[in-house]
Amino acid sequence: EAGVTQSPTHLIKTRGQQATLRCSPISGHTSVYWYQQALGLGLQFLLWYDEGEERNRGNFPPRFSGRQFPNYSSELNVNALELEDSALYLCASSSYIGGNSNQPQHFGDGTRLSIL
Amino acid sequence: QKEVEQDPGPLSVPEGAIVSLNCTYSNSAFQYFMWYRQYSRKGPELLMYTYSSGNKEDGRFTAQVDKSSKYISLFIRDSQPSDSATYLCAMRTGRRALTFGSGTRLQVQP
Repeated sequence: EAGVTQSPTHLIKTRGQQATLRCSPISGHTSVYWYQQALGLGLQFLLWYDEGEERNRGNFPPRFSGRQFPNYSSELNVNALELEDSALYLCASSSYIGGNSNQPQHFGDGTRLSIL
Repeated sequence: QKEVEQDPGPLSVPEGAIVSLNCTYSNSAFQYFMWYRQYSRKGPELLMYTYSSGNKEDGRFTAQVDKSSKYISLFIRDSQPSDSATYLCAMRTGRRALTFGSGTRLQVQP
């Protein structure tokens, strides 16, 4: 079974540009979560998509946005890039059976975004 | 104060040692508890996933959850150099996103 795949592996941008990161969840998973892992700040939650809808977002400005497609893949868009946006962006997916049968999140290897 | 506290280490042990990793948390609403292992330049890999208080064992790994003390642990028996990585505790309520500890860097010396 293929795991969570993310592309590109590495992305280099300059300040003010826009970046698009992509994620394909594990087959059968309907939820996609985006996290930022910046040096010294740990893993912080960005966005949660489920069944095509944005369900929740973390404490990040509106220039971080995204969407989920009908095939459950997702993309994260970051506008007006700033130097502090340099980080590893991780995507995770999970499935939901019902009741308290929540399944764990499985992660991809991330996209390393470098802002020059 | 962070919702989840984890000693960043680094923790250095000799090969074959028993490793104990711990996290404390403040949010009593957390229901699901996880341990992930992250190698350099890779994404977190799920090691253990628990829902309730108690112990769960999987091979050389044992996870403990004490909800009354808001304390979780991961034990690694017979540690190997290949266990050298950063270990992240994580927890959540329902289907919400994970709240992570800062991670403990482990080095197992051959």
